[in-house]
Amino acid sequence: DARVTQTPRDKVTEMGQEVTMRCQPILGHNTVFWYRQTMMQGLELLAYFRNRAPLDDSGMPKDRFSAEMPDATLATLKIQPSEPRDSAVYFCASGGDRGEAFFGQGTRLTVV
Amino acid sequence: GDSVTQMEGPVTLSEEAFLTINCTYTATGYPSLFWYVQYPGEGLQLLLKATKADDKGSNKGFEATYRKETTSFHLEKGSVQVSDSAVYFCALSENTGGFKTIFGAGTRLFVKA
Repeated sequence: DARVTQTPRDKVTEMGQEVTMRCQPILGHNTVFWYRQTMMQGLELLAYFRNRAPLDDSGMPKDRFSAEMPDATLATLKIQPSEPRDSAVYFCASGGDRGEAFFGQGTRLTVV
Repeated sequence: GDSVTQMEGPVTLSEEAFLTINCTYTATGYPSLFWYVQYPGEGLQLLLKATKADDKGSNKGFEATYRKETTSFHLEKGSVQVSDSAVYFCALSENTGGFKTIFGAGTRLFVKA
């Protein structure tokens, strides 16, 4: 059963610390998305990649966030330094050429 | 830019009631349209989709028809169950060199027994 895997599932960190979230997309999918979900803002697209190349990261605060795909089986989202307002659930999703997005279970980040 | 607008929730219904969740979109081209569902503590799951005008997507008793003339994709179900309680997201995806998926704000549905 192919699925998107995200680690860690939960992360509590202190303000100012670096946070790295990882995502393993479904094998064969060529598009990877990072979304952030909060009660106030809903589901926001942070960045997305096609064939490992970043196509759009306009939704991401550039000064502290970075997203990369070191290889086809790994996508990372890094926050440095983290702030309390970054507390949210971060979702990775992957997709093929039909436009559908398959979501991981998310990383719940709490910055204290 | 592209956007999706869906009705605000929460929507509260009794079991076996009829459900409609409205969704309208704006897009520059010819997007594919989707409904996703999110259960507590989980990621979003694809519920149904339609790829061109007049297509009807259906799954698990839910239906939605792609209406290009009204730029709408309303979700309907004839008889809801308690287990349908979840958050429902309308979304569009357009091929702009890659499929960028844009979501609406989500509508929370509560179904009472």
